Amino acid sequence: ILNVEQSPQSLHVQEGDSTNFTCSFPSSNFYALHWYRWETAKSPEALFVMTLNGDEKKKGRISATLNTKEGYSYLYIKGSQPEDSATYLCAFATGNQFYFGTGTSLTVIP
Amino acid sequence: DSGVTQTPKHLITATGQRVTLRCSPRSGDLSVYWYQQSLDQGLQFLIQYYNGEERAKGNILERFSAQQFPDLHSELNLSSLELGDSALYFCASSGHRDVWGYTFGSGTRLTVV
Repeated sequence: ILNVEQSPQSLHVQEGDSTNFTCSFPSSNFYALHWYRWETAKSPEALFVMTLNGDEKKKGRISATLNTKEGYSYLYIKGSQPEDSATYLCAFATGNQFYFGTGTSLTVIP
Repeated sequence: DSGVTQTPKHLITATGQRVTLRCSPRSGDLSVYWYQQSLDQGLQFLIQYYNGEERAKGNILERFSAQQFPDLHSELNLSSLELGDSALYFCASSGHRDVWGYTFGSGTRLTVV
């Protein structure tokens, strides 16, 4: 079983603060790295799929970077809003399997 | 609506029983994945089917089995249920290019009492 680690486990920020979290994964047999946003009582929603070293993706106030050589990805949220409160999951894909991290739980305090 | 349909939404059953969870993938998607999310655990990959055939296997117990039918819907069978099997079971589907990510269903919450 491959180890995908996310840090921190949980995070509380004030509305308007910018924040970031980390996903660490094995640097070998890399195929893709996915980020998902998971709100309570809903199913995970795909944010980004990243495949190339150095990839940077952006969706509104959320962006992500990828370093496949050292095995990490950062997710950034600029100007956090209460509606950003959710668990953010990353998933590391090899050729035919996905391995999910345990997520970072973000709470944005109004 | 993500396009991935899971039934039932909730299920309560006793230890030792057997249940079947059903998943209908998004139209056109050939791959179906099953995940388990239990208390304080992340998503654990159980098994993947692609166009009716098992493609990848994760941490699936021997008491659990799955299949994908010709119409591409999938069923996850859980037998000899134990209290520890209580969890959210998610199904996801993807197109022919798995690298583009996939879509999750809303999950089945299984409670074993």
